[in-house]
Amino acid sequence: DAEITQSPRHKITETGRQVTLACHQTWNHNNMFWYRQDLGHGLRLIHYSYGVQDTNKGEVSDGYSVSRSNTEDLPLTLESAASSQTSVYFCASSESGDGPYEQYFGPGTRLTVT
Amino acid sequence: ILNVEQSPQSLHVQEGDSTNFTCSFPSSNFYALHWYRWETAKSPEALFVMTLNGDEKKKGRISATLNTKEGYSYLYIKGSQPEDSATYLCASRSNDYKLSFGAGTTVTVRA
Repeated sequence: DAEITQSPRHKITETGRQVTLACHQTWNHNNMFWYRQDLGHGLRLIHYSYGVQDTNKGEVSDGYSVSRSNTEDLPLTLESAASSQTSVYFCASSESGDGPYEQYFGPGTRLTVT
Repeated sequence: ILNVEQSPQSLHVQEGDSTNFTCSFPSSNFYALHWYRWETAKSPEALFVMTLNGDEKKKGRISATLNTKEGYSYLYIKGSQPEDSATYLCASRSNDYKLSFGAGTTVTVRA
């Protein structure tokens, strides 16, 4: 069965370190998204991609970057981790083209920056 | 960024009672309204996607309606059960693929 996975599931890192969170989907979806979940805010979009070599900033992109070298993966990098980036991170993917396609979410990565 | 609001933020329901809650969204540039069910320590799970004014969708005891002209959607849970306890997220999509999420309504069903 097709799925979307994230790794690691839990990560503790120190302020100032570079951290990369992995997202891998086997749906063959063109669209991929990264969100962070914070209390009182629901899910906020960090970065998104509509296909290979395409990346775009979301509403809370400062301090984060992504790259899309193939269809299956969209790794999220925190360039220099800050305590404000302690959060739960969700990756999602969806079909492209005409249609109100739903997004499928990964299991999440809980990141703690100390 | 679409300003999507959900109310109430949380509610407690007695087992067997029915309940409903609201999602409001900007009606301009509207393309689709999504509802997700989100249990603690799990990932959001899609419930419904609606696009047309007057749309109604149903899945078991849960149903949703959509009013695109006034910019709101209702989610209904009939005969609430403990397994319905979750956070229900709505998200609005405009003419691209991005979703703007509300903060969610957390439902707790008491046995």
